[in-house]
Amino acid sequence: AQSVSQHNHHVILSEAASLELGCNYSYGGTVNLFWYVQYPGQHLQLLLKYFSGDPLVKGIKGFEAEFIKSKFSFNLRKPSVQWSDTAEYFCAVVSGGGADGLTFGKGTHLIIQP
Amino acid sequence: EAGVAQSPRYKIIEKRQSVAFWCNPISGHATLYWYQQILGQGPKLLIQFQNNGVVDDSQLPKDRFSAERLKGVDSTLKIQPAKLEDSAVYLCASSYRGGAETQYFGPGTRLLVL
Repeated sequence: AQSVSQHNHHVILSEAASLELGCNYSYGGTVNLFWYVQYPGQHLQLLLKYFSGDPLVKGIKGFEAEFIKSKFSFNLRKPSVQWSDTAEYFCAVVSGGGADGLTFGKGTHLIIQP
Repeated sequence: EAGVAQSPRYKIIEKRQSVAFWCNPISGHATLYWYQQILGQGPKLLIQFQNNGVVDDSQLPKDRFSAERLKGVDSTLKIQPAKLEDSAVYLCASSYRGGAETQYFGPGTRLLVL
């Protein structure tokens, strides 16, 4: 069974700092990768996704992620965070083949201090 | 465009009681998912429907959980009888055709079993 590991469960940064959240997955075949975000009091929503092609994927609100197949990684980055980026971030994977429910990591709680 | 609707938003029951959750996906979305999110963890897929057929229920505890999507639109998830460890947020998500398409999540139902 596939699994997703997020290395940092809690991250605290100051505004304007750079962000990198780690994500590793276990499945060795073709994968589709996602980052979802949950802002306080809101639904889970898609931040960005990778299907194929350019391994550097750009999402909403200035976020990007890089798929490195050899490292089974899909790390999320943002060069300069804002207070409004305070949220829970989830990495997820779909292996395809019909049953395509998402397998999520445990999440990273990001707090941005003004 | 209306999002995924879920009800109730909160439910408190005693162990061994039964409970049901309702989900109405985005109009036109063929694929519907139920996830369970226990505090401090990422969502875990319980069941996936494609129209009114089950695609994946491998992680559904079938001795106590059941789900249906009779007309291929809205869906209900039932727990009978509930256990303490069922306390969680139950999330419904939908996508247009499944596969690796974006899943849109509802607000969830927060269940507390006493």
